[in-house]
Amino acid sequence: QQQVKQSPQSLIVQKGGISIINCAYENTAFDYFPWYQQFPGKGPALLIAIRPDVSEKKEGRFTISFNKSAKQFSLHIMDSQPGDSATYFCAASDFNKFYFGSGTKLNVKP
Amino acid sequence: DADVTQTPRNRITKTGKRIMLECSQTKGHDRMYWYRQDPGLGLQLIYYSFDVKDINKGEISDGYSVSRQAQAKFSLSLESAIPNQTALYFCATSDQINEQFFGPGTRLTVL
Repeated sequence: QQQVKQSPQSLIVQKGGISIINCAYENTAFDYFPWYQQFPGKGPALLIAIRPDVSEKKEGRFTISFNKSAKQFSLHIMDSQPGDSATYFCAASDFNKFYFGSGTKLNVKP
Repeated sequence: DADVTQTPRNRITKTGKRIMLECSQTKGHDRMYWYRQDPGLGLQLIYYSFDVKDINKGEISDGYSVSRQAQAKFSLSLESAIPNQTALYFCATSDQINEQFFGPGTRLTVL
């Protein structure tokens, strides 16, 4: 059973648009929710992360929205750029292990 | 120099062969992980280790074994490789506050 469910699988956005990727989880023991960005041929790299005591975290054009009661969190990429084209993974951690979503391949068209 | 290195970067092997993937880190982290990545499945945890004497199974440990030779080194072995172990393999380290750092990956093909 997949611990973290991610959607959509793929996303096409025009340059300057907003990209939104959603994730849902069941385990209330999770206390750390990171998003990773992966370019072809590279390992995933941490983009932004949030803990459940806040509902939103913003870093530049990237924002995580967190809904603890719904057990959902999402990544918003504002003013999307072609350089943002990559695969994005959400994850959840219970301090011991990390559980990853299945990934979203984002394509930002010029 | 990269903080987390993996060798080899690419490997083609035959069914039934034993193969070892190696991971080294210079971040000084105690926690190390091995993941497998398949298209559409994200990253699945194979094994993880919180210190040299600690080894734990992940979600998909069958057919794999690991060795934590030192704080900085964590190796993954496939005792008898099979074609459905063809995948991208990533090593990662983390500190106490959860952030994980990934290596560049090893692309393994089992014929």
